[in-house]
Amino acid sequence: GENVEQHPSTLSVQEGDSAVIKCTYSDSASNYFPWYKQELGKRPQLIIDIRSNVGEKKDQRIAVTLNKTAKHFSLHITETQPEDSAVYFCAATNSGGYQKVTFGIGTKLQVIP
Amino acid sequence: NAGVTQTPKFRVLKTGQSMTLLCAQDMNHEYMYWYRQDPGMGLRLIHYSVGEGTTAKGEVPDGYNVSRLKKQNFLLGLESAAPSQTSVYFCASSYSEQGSEQFFGPGTRLTVL
Repeated sequence: GENVEQHPSTLSVQEGDSAVIKCTYSDSASNYFPWYKQELGKRPQLIIDIRSNVGEKKDQRIAVTLNKTAKHFSLHITETQPEDSAVYFCAATNSGGYQKVTFGIGTKLQVIP
Repeated sequence: NAGVTQTPKFRVLKTGQSMTLLCAQDMNHEYMYWYRQDPGMGLRLIHYSVGEGTTAKGEVPDGYNVSRLKKQNFLLGLESAAPSQTSVYFCASSYSEQGSEQFFGPGTRLTVL
């Protein structure tokens, strides 16, 4: 089955700096890669996603890149703000048949004011 | 729209007791999922359903049963609770189209003494 590795597990940055979270996956059939943000005590919510036919996607301060050959994808947050502090989960989805989603273990991001 | 709701929000059980967690969604989603979230282990899939009347095992199904009698509801049962089932449980739902966002419920915090 699919295996998703995510690192780092914790990340501290100064406000205004950039943060990068990296994930690798094992199943070459995976074709949809969402990122979820989970604030303390809240539910995970989708913040950005990318499909296997796209190499990069941006949404304001957030961007995701995908390297299918190397089977890795990354989340980039620029100009970090205290409200970016949360746990971020990457996931890989094999959309053949039922959508089997495998999550990474999460990265706890702390933005220091 | 309420989105995805879960009942109850908190529960404390004694070892050997049983209980049912209820998940409801009003988005007409075909797919529904139950996850458990434990520190350092991300989101792990317990069971899932691809439509009314269907269920299937996920990554960690032992000790749990599920039912999807109505499209909008997905029930998770613990027949004989164990301390190892102490966790936060999240329900999620999604459309069946390839690469669809999962919408999560607010979670149920379960403690088994």
